[in-house]
Amino acid sequence: SQKIEQNSEALNIQEGKTATLTCNYTNYSPAYLQWYRQDPGRGPVFLLLIRENEKEKRKERLKVTFDTTLKQSLFHITASQPADSATYLCALGDGTASKLTFGTGTRLQVTL
Amino acid sequence: EPEVTQTPSHQVTQMGQEVILRCVPISNHLYFYWYRQILGQKVEFLVSFYNNEISEKSEIFDDQFSVERPDGSNFTLKIRSTKLEDSAMYFCASSDMRVNYEQYFGPGTRLTVT
Repeated sequence: SQKIEQNSEALNIQEGKTATLTCNYTNYSPAYLQWYRQDPGRGPVFLLLIRENEKEKRKERLKVTFDTTLKQSLFHITASQPADSATYLCALGDGTASKLTFGTGTRLQVTL
Repeated sequence: EPEVTQTPSHQVTQMGQEVILRCVPISNHLYFYWYRQILGQKVEFLVSFYNNEISEKSEIFDDQFSVERPDGSNFTLKIRSTKLEDSAMYFCASSDMRVNYEQYFGPGTRLTVT
């Protein structure tokens, strides 16, 4: 069955450092992968989408890589700030109008 | 910036009662979704809807669930006879899908079944 794993339940880093979050998947061939931010009690907020034929995508301090051979995506937040503290979700889709299949999320805590 | 809205933000109901959760998707989007998230667990797909019909549904979306787009703006999820295990956050999402595959989520409705 399809499985999506995100690294460790919680990641603690110091302000200014780069946070790297991992999303690994098995038994899946996604057409694209999306990263979302979720704050407690709120809905997921879209951050970035990367397609299967793309290696890297950037948006401001965010960078996503996608390796379909390793079946892995890495999500980087550079120059992290306490306001980046949240849970980050990866979600996979396999085509037009496709449902998203979510990972369990990684909780990021950025401290001063 | 356009956003998905959901009402109510919190609904408390007794087991066996019917509930209707409401969503207003982003106006030019054509694809609509419902997801749910049980406390402490991952977001799970329930159903997708396009061109006034269900395009895909999960095993969770059994006969107790139904969706409807009663007019040009609202998208609803009905649970006919709620169970304790239906307690969760329910998220509506919408997508353009013609060019972009991103799904935009609403703030959610917290459903508590007692």
